[in-house]
Amino acid sequence: AAGVIQSPRHLIKEKRETATLKCYPIPRHDTVYWYQQGPGQDPQFLISFYEKMQSDKGSIPDRFSAQQFSDYHSELNMSSLELGDSALYFCASSLGTGTTFFGQGTRLTVV
Amino acid sequence: GENVEQHPSTLSVQEGDSAVIKCTYSDSASNYFPWYKQELGKGPQLIIDIRSNVGEKKDQRIAVTLNKTAKHFSLHITETQPEDSAVYFCAAGFMDTGRRALTFGSGTRLQVQP
Repeated sequence: AAGVIQSPRHLIKEKRETATLKCYPIPRHDTVYWYQQGPGQDPQFLISFYEKMQSDKGSIPDRFSAQQFSDYHSELNMSSLELGDSALYFCASSLGTGTTFFGQGTRLTVV
Repeated sequence: GENVEQHPSTLSVQEGDSAVIKCTYSDSASNYFPWYKQELGKGPQLIIDIRSNVGEKKDQRIAVTLNKTAKHFSLHITETQPEDSAVYFCAAGFMDTGRRALTFGSGTRLQVQP
């Protein structure tokens, strides 16, 4: 079965650079979520989209933005990167009130 | 907002023993409670979930119980195997038209000793 696809799997950026993470939800899923997970931490919710509209907002820094496109894929844009942004970034998707499935994540390292 | 507490933070059991992980939540509106298993460097993998209209759910060696009145839910793994070793997260959410995101517990590192 198709899963949530994230790219890239690994990304190394320097401080103050910009990064773009991509997410392709499970086909026909209508909701996409972005989470950030620091080392040894639980996933922290950043932002979500339902039918291409922002549906919920968590602890997303102002330096970050996200959108969902007409083909339902989503991108998380991160600007002015800081060392503290180094983390695993997960995308998840769900359909209606169904279960939420996670991708394998993008490991972002800011140096 | 929702707050989920998870205990214990680490759990070591002998192969074949049972493991129990407990979570409490704060928002009585939450109606969906999934459990995820996360292996190092991988994404959380859904292992079982339960909705607030059900008190217990079982899938082979894994079971989850929910006490809505007390606002707590538990994961039970029987006949543990070394491959069960991972970090387990509970979560709570409100699955309705609002599509509210999940709030996770802090995780339990389960180690199954052969």
